[in-house]
Amino acid sequence: KAGVTQTPRYLIKTRGQQVTLSCSPISGHRSVSWYQQTPGQGLQFLFEYFSETQRNKGNFPGRFSGRQFSNSRSEMNVSTLELGDSALYLCASRLAGDTDTQYFGPGTRLTVL
Amino acid sequence: AQSVTQLGSHVSVSEGALVLLRCNYSSSVPPYLFWYVQYPNQGLQLLLKYTTGATLVKGINGFEAEFKKSETSFHLTKPSAHMSDAAEYFCAVSPFSGGYQKVTFGTGTKLQVIP
Repeated sequence: KAGVTQTPRYLIKTRGQQVTLSCSPISGHRSVSWYQQTPGQGLQFLFEYFSETQRNKGNFPGRFSGRQFSNSRSEMNVSTLELGDSALYLCASRLAGDTDTQYFGPGTRLTVL
Repeated sequence: AQSVTQLGSHVSVSEGALVLLRCNYSSSVPPYLFWYVQYPNQGLQLLLKYTTGATLVKGINGFEAEFKKSETSFHLTKPSAHMSDAAEYFCAVSPFSGGYQKVTFGTGTKLQVIP
């Protein structure tokens, strides 16, 4: 089975712009979670989607949003980019259950100038 | 509320020596516990996880961890370090939530293996 894929792998944007990141989960996985990783804050949970519904959300401002499509693919959007949004954004998928293993993608490295 | 504390942001060991990475957690409900490894420019890979049952958990690449409820610890060990073990390791906790996960990660420990 193919692993979790994220596109693009690298992205450079300027302050005030918006960006959309994409995540394709492992085939059959219905849950997709997003994380932000920075040197200062470490790994922080953004949100989780399951069957096109957001069922959990971390402590991030409303500029961060996401959605999931019927094929379980997910997108994350960040509007009005700030310098502090520069980070590695990781997507993880799992089958569905509480004890199911999360499989992570390689991440999208976002740089905001 | 839940939290994870990883003691030591950097740990150095000699090749062939014991690897011990420390993790303490706080959780108001029974936790699920995880160890992940991250190699440069890559995502996270699950090493092992504790959900219920046996408190000594064996994972991939020769790693294991023991859940000690009384000490609220979940330390990661490996009897003999290999050069390929050099990476960053993350401990994580998730509440037993009956349907969804909200994983909290520790700040990570970078393991250096000295030849």
